[in-house]
Amino acid sequence: DTGVSQNPRHKITKRGQNVTFRCDPISEHNRLYWYRQTLGQGPEFLTYFQNEAQLEKSRLLSDRFSAERPKGSFSTLEIQRTEQGDSAMYLCASSVGQGSTEKLFFGSGTQLSVL
Amino acid sequence: QQQVKQSPQSLIVQKGGIPIINCAYENTAFDYFPWYQQFPGKGPALLIAIRPDVSEKKEGRFTISFNKSAKQFSLHIMDSQPGDSATYFCAASIAQGGSEKLVFGKGTKLTVNP
Repeated sequence: DTGVSQNPRHKITKRGQNVTFRCDPISEHNRLYWYRQTLGQGPEFLTYFQNEAQLEKSRLLSDRFSAERPKGSFSTLEIQRTEQGDSAMYLCASSVGQGSTEKLFFGSGTQLSVL
Repeated sequence: QQQVKQSPQSLIVQKGGIPIINCAYENTAFDYFPWYQQFPGKGPALLIAIRPDVSEKKEGRFTISFNKSAKQFSLHIMDSQPGDSATYFCAASIAQGGSEKLVFGKGTKLTVNP
């Protein structure tokens, strides 16, 4: 499978616990994005990387959220001290190209449930 | 602030029908308008996209119509099939802004009955 891979697919945690998600982008895609999707809504942009550099962060990304992309390959998204409002599908996407030629390829997401 | 408004929220058509999903945007700086299809348990998949220098783009059974002056665009699905049943999202971004930071609509759940 050469698509965007996300692990785990599902995560159930108790409020206050820390969680970490992993995303493996399509090989040689230099851009990697994180989005969050809640039920009945479209995905919302969280942050993106070009290679290993995190170039933009949404105001949605509070201080409890941190994302990394060491060596410009896979990426991790960590949520500290989870809250019930963090329950959502966390989507990763990767792309190659720029401007109007850029196309995003999404993974199947990690569904987070905070109890 | 919802920058991309999508309607209807849900849509039911018979096989062979032509569902139409509409979107309106506010930010005139947007210059890239993709449509995504999402099946349950999967991430969104790019269907078709358009830039505002053309008024229509067709790929297979999917057509985007674009009205720059009205700041509206729509997706038409010709000869719809039950396999087209999914949630469709319109989106917009500033393609020359340096990133694919898409702003999505809230989605339209399409059901195509056999």
